[in-house]
Amino acid sequence: DAGVIQSPRHEVTEMGQEVTLRCKPISGHDYLFWYRQTMMRGLELLIYFNNNVPIDDSGMPEDRFSAKMPNASFSTLKIQPSEPRDSAVYFCASSVSGGDEQFFGPGTRLTVL
Amino acid sequence: GEDVEQSLFLSVREGDSSVINCTYTDSSSTYLYWYKQEPGAGLQLLTYIFSNMDMKQDQRLTVLLNKKDKHLSLRIADTQTGDSAIYFCAERGGGGNKLTFGTGTQLKVEL
Repeated sequence: DAGVIQSPRHEVTEMGQEVTLRCKPISGHDYLFWYRQTMMRGLELLIYFNNNVPIDDSGMPEDRFSAKMPNASFSTLKIQPSEPRDSAVYFCASSVSGGDEQFFGPGTRLTVL
Repeated sequence: GEDVEQSLFLSVREGDSSVINCTYTDSSSTYLYWYKQEPGAGLQLLTYIFSNMDMKQDQRLTVLLNKKDKHLSLRIADTQTGDSAIYFCAERGGGGNKLTFGTGTQLKVEL
């Protein structure tokens, strides 16, 4: 298996633009997690899905952030409009079940100018 | 919310042992984890320990858990330059699927 796939690996955009980050979890994994990593706040869980259904989105910073999982093999994290403080590395992870090892993707480094 | 804390930086010489420490606040933690992050990469699970254990050894890695003091440590024996990375401690609360991560400890291995 190729592991968790994220795209793009790097994104540079201007303030106010819409940004869409993509994730393909490992086939057969029922759980998908979105994390954000910054120097100031470390690694934060934004939202997670079970069988394509959002279970806990309490970590989503504000309404500018939204996440979807239209099917078992694809998820998106959208920021609209983006702001400079959204600059971070965004990781997607998946696991077979909620209590199992989470496998992380390589991350998307987002820079908002 | 629950909190997990680690020191930010550790420097050791090649061949020495490294000990990375972590403290947490969640008394209902069921599993505790150590992840490794190399530059430009995602996190990779190194090892984990169930909360009813006090020690786990896996080749060069030894995990010690003091549940009373809510203190977790990772010892890397015979540290190599390839061990240079950021190490994250994480805990899973009772009955939950969420992991709470520490701030990460950057390990630098010098020749």
